[in-house]
Amino acid sequence: GAGVSQSPRYKVAKRGQDVALRCDPISGHVSLFWYQQALGQGPEFLTYFQNEAQLDKSGLPSDRFFAERPEGSVSTLKIQRTQQEDSAVYLCASSLPREPSDTQYFGPGTRLTVL
Amino acid sequence: SQQGEEDPQALSIQEGENATMNCSYKTSINNLQWYRQNSGRGLVHLILIRSNEREKHSGRLRVTLDTSKKSSSLLITASRAADTASYFCARWTGANNLFFGTGTRLTVIP
Repeated sequence: GAGVSQSPRYKVAKRGQDVALRCDPISGHVSLFWYQQALGQGPEFLTYFQNEAQLDKSGLPSDRFFAERPEGSVSTLKIQRTQQEDSAVYLCASSLPREPSDTQYFGPGTRLTVL
Repeated sequence: SQQGEEDPQALSIQEGENATMNCSYKTSINNLQWYRQNSGRGLVHLILIRSNEREKHSGRLRVTLDTSKKSSSLLITASRAADTASYFCARWTGANNLFFGTGTRLTVIP
């Protein structure tokens, strides 16, 4: 079956622009996660959804970052007024129902470059 | 901020040799997972070991966990060029997310 997909794969934005990154999780996966991965580093947690409920957004670096999953499937990560420090790869992951601590299945990521 | 370190940061070996990567952490865990990331790609789950387990095997992979030392190791036996990638350990601590280390970049020379 299809894995986690993300779009776009690459995004170049001018500083101050808003961007929206999309994640399509594996069908039936209840849990969805967003991570930010800076160059040469491991992924860092941004936010977690269980179905449509955003249960944890403690990793969002500022109020310019906003995520939603209105119907409990597709999720969008929005970054307003992008800054150069937002340049990173944004990874989405999903996991099996009721097992958020178990294996997470990652998408290929969106590489965001802010000029 | 990240809560652990992989060691070494980079490792270069000849094809057929074994590769060992270590992971240390600071807080208690529910489980520890290892992931592989090829350049420009997403992460692929390799193996999960729970806090009450000491060793697990999967194909050419062997993972050990020592909760008293807060450390884990990943052994890849009989390495192949296709094993070239970055390897990350990730800890599930009971919060709602995985905490990843900084990764080990493995290069397997054909």
